[in-house]
Order: sequence, then structure tokens, then C-alpha cells
Amino acid sequence: GAVVSQHPSRVICKSGTSVKIECRSLDFQATTMFWYRQFPKKSLMLMATSNEGSKATYEQGVEKDKFLINHASLTLSTLTVTSAHPEDSSFYICSAPGQGTYFRNEQFFGPGTRLTVL
Amino acid sequence: DAKTTQPPSMDCAEGRAANLPCNHSTISGNEYVYWYRQIHSQGPQYIIHGLKNNETNEMASLIITEDRKSSTLILPHATLRDTAVYYCIVSVIQGAQKLVFGQGTRLTINP
Repeated sequence: GAVVSQHPSRVICKSGTSVKIECRSLDFQATTMFWYRQFPKKSLMLMATSNEGSKATYEQGVEKDKFLINHASLTLSTLTVTSAHPEDSSFYICSAPGQGTYFRNEQFFGPGTRLTVL
Repeated sequence: DAKTTQPPSMDCAEGRAANLPCNHSTISGNEYVYWYRQIHSQGPQYIIHGLKNNETNEMASLIITEDRKSSTLILPHATLRDTAVYYCIVSVIQGAQKLVFGQGTRLTINP
């Protein structure tokens, strides 16, 4: 199957700093990627749709100035949490839809990035 | 909002079949039923999907009722590694369709 990676896997930062999380499709191209966040023992919440070469589409209630998304190439999307606060501490997961006849009906998820803001 | 309802938790003995139910009474004619699972602290993993016919792959079987208002995911011989949260999602297949996750079922396989 297709592989999606995320970097870093874990990050701890101080309140007020910005953190960038990378999502890469390793062996396929992704014109669209999705970003989710997940709090402990809760389900995944879709934050935004990342579109290669254009602006991201944010879900209702998600601050676009707080969570900056850049999809600069067909294999890379980045999520930057700006001016992070402790309430931004969460598990951030990206996904990309599969390509080709065999994989086009499923999405491939990254392993997630655990952000802790002190 | 998620369009599916699932029991919050289930237990199953190792080696037995695990049957996970899902209700999706408002499913539209062009929506598929997808199942994903998430093992602790990992990203979700695709399991199977179907429209109206029963489906089987190397991981599981999917049984969809004739009226399509509910379905059951079957893991035929559950192992300890199948312990995870299982999500039932309805979605239109349209290339890059976003997935809306409900609360899922936390399945625990007991030795």
C-alpha cells in the first residue's frame, strides 16, 4: 500500500512558539491531504483539507490564522501551529487519498504527531 | 456530524469471530460504508468498504443489510493485535473525499 509519513513524531514546545508538522506521501502523489486532531480517548476531528497549489479549506470552528497549512508540492503538506498554547496540545494526524485502481478508494494515514505545549 | 452510531466498546475472546455493528439509517444511495481502525497512538488503517453487496478481503468481511441502514464488520479469527478502535464511516467515493469520524467502537480482544 501507499505510505504517509509525518515529522516529527513528537514535539514539546513552550507556550507562544510556533511548531511545524510535515506530512509526506512517500511513494505517491497527493494533490489533496487532510489534517485531523485527536484529543485523548476522543475521535479524530477533521481540521482542514490541504490543496496543492491553492488555499486550504478549513472546517467550521478551526482558526485558519492559528493553524497555517501549506501544500507546496504533490508530496508535502505542512501544518504550522502558531503561537501555541497548552490547549493546542493534541495528536495531529494527516491523511492522503490513495491513487490508482487498487488504492483509490481508501485513505492512507500518517503515524501522527504528538504535540505538547508547556 | 458523523452519520453512524456504534457501540462504544466490545470484548471478544482471542480466536473467536468479532462482530462489530454499525447503524447508518440516513445513508444516501451514493454513499459507501467504510471501516477503519486505529490502534493505540497510531494513525487509522483502512479495513474494508462496500456499497450494498457483502465484501470480504484478507482482513475482514463486511455484511450490509438489504435496506443499507446497518452493517456488521466481521473479524473471523480475532487476535490480540486486533485490539483497536474501529470506526464505521459513510462517504461518497469521489477521489479525495474527506472522512468524518464518529466515536467508534473500542474492541478489546482478551486472551
